Amino acid sequence: TQLLEQSPQFLSIQEGENLTVYCNSSSVFSSLQWYRQEPGEGPVLLVTVVTGGEVKKLKRLTFQFGDARKDSSLHITAAQPGDTGLYLCAGDFEAGGGADGLTFGKGTHLIIQP
Amino acid sequence: DSGVTQTPKHLITATGQRVTLRCSPRSGDLSVYWYQQSLDQGLQFLIQYYNGEERAKGNILERFSAQQFPDLHSELNLSSLELGDSALYFCASSVVTGNGYTFGSGTRLTVV
Repeated sequence: TQLLEQSPQFLSIQEGENLTVYCNSSSVFSSLQWYRQEPGEGPVLLVTVVTGGEVKKLKRLTFQFGDARKDSSLHITAAQPGDTGLYLCAGDFEAGGGADGLTFGKGTHLIIQP
Repeated sequence: DSGVTQTPKHLITATGQRVTLRCSPRSGDLSVYWYQQSLDQGLQFLIQYYNGEERAKGNILERFSAQQFPDLHSELNLSSLELGDSALYFCASSVVTGNGYTFGSGTRLTVV
């Protein structure tokens, strides 16, 4: 079973602060995605990265894919209360050849306090 | 509205019973995925269908089965339900594998 570790599990910070959450695996991803989930709703896709070293920006969110395609990070600048939610990374493992579906991490519960 | 429709939104049933969860994918998406989300296990992949055929299987119990119909909607059948089957069940769809999924709002199943 391919494992995907996310850290930290919980993070509570003040509005205006910066933060980074991490997603790591010992296996190589063919693609990696970040989702945000709010209570009672399904996850919503934020970004997909496929190339080692790739950096993508979505307003105040910066996503980075590791050079070896085994890890990724999500950095939020000047966090706002509206950023509160569960952030999930999900990987398509290269070894699975698409036969395993997306593997999700357990997520980072982020709370931004006003 | 994500474009993926799941019904019902909530379901309460007794142990030993059988239920059917329904999913209509986003228009144009041929792949449908079923996931189970519980507090301790997170999102667990159950099964994928592509254009009516089973494409990939994950940690799906033998008591669970699914199918995708010619109009591309999918159903997940859960039988001989146990207390531990209580969870959120999500359906997602995509155009191609690895390109990002669109999730529905889920069905919250409570087995009592």
